[in-house]
Amino acid sequence: DVKVTQSSRYLVKRTGEKVFLECVQDMDHENMFWYRQDPGLGLRLIYFSYDVKMKEKGDIPEGYSVSREKKERFSLILESASTNQTSMYLCASSSQETQYFGPGTRLLVL
Amino acid sequence: GDSVTQMEGPVTLSEEAFLTINCTYTATGYPSLFWYVQYPGEGLQLLLKATKADDKGSNKGFEATYRKETTSFHLEKGSVQVSDSAVYFCALSFDSGTYKYIFGTGTRLKVLA
Repeated sequence: DVKVTQSSRYLVKRTGEKVFLECVQDMDHENMFWYRQDPGLGLRLIYFSYDVKMKEKGDIPEGYSVSREKKERFSLILESASTNQTSMYLCASSSQETQYFGPGTRLLVL
Repeated sequence: GDSVTQMEGPVTLSEEAFLTINCTYTATGYPSLFWYVQYPGEGLQLLLKATKADDKGSNKGFEATYRKETTSFHLEKGSVQVSDSAVYFCALSFDSGTYKYIFGTGTRLKVLA
């Protein structure tokens, strides 16, 4: 079975802190994705990566950056956390059309 | 642009009732279509998919048929259980190499015993 793990289930950070969210997949997938999930808005794509060191902006990249130094790991970085980044963050990976999701990280920014 | 529209929730049903969750899409080509389910406190899991017109995806008693003429992919189940309580997401994807998804906003289902 494909396994996608995220470093934390819950995080509480202060405004202005730098925040790292880590995602690891164990199926050698080329593609990895970061989404945020908010009530009434569904899932919105922040960034995705189709290969090591390759990345593309999604629909809402502002305030975020990403890093993919190894194929299995895709990190989402909030350079200076703000309260409007309080959300559920979901990571996914895929080799073809089916995406496999991690359990999510619920981030609260105070 | 491409988009997915789902019926607004929440949907509340009694156990053993028939379920339909509507999903329609707008797309310039011929996408693959998906239903994902999110149980409380968890990430999304693939429930079923269909890759071309008239395909029927099915899993765990759920079904959806890819209808090109009505651009729809409605989710159905004949008899729901309390354990089906979850949020259901419809999504589309194109075979473009990166397989980015476009998701609907999700429909919350609550099944009462």
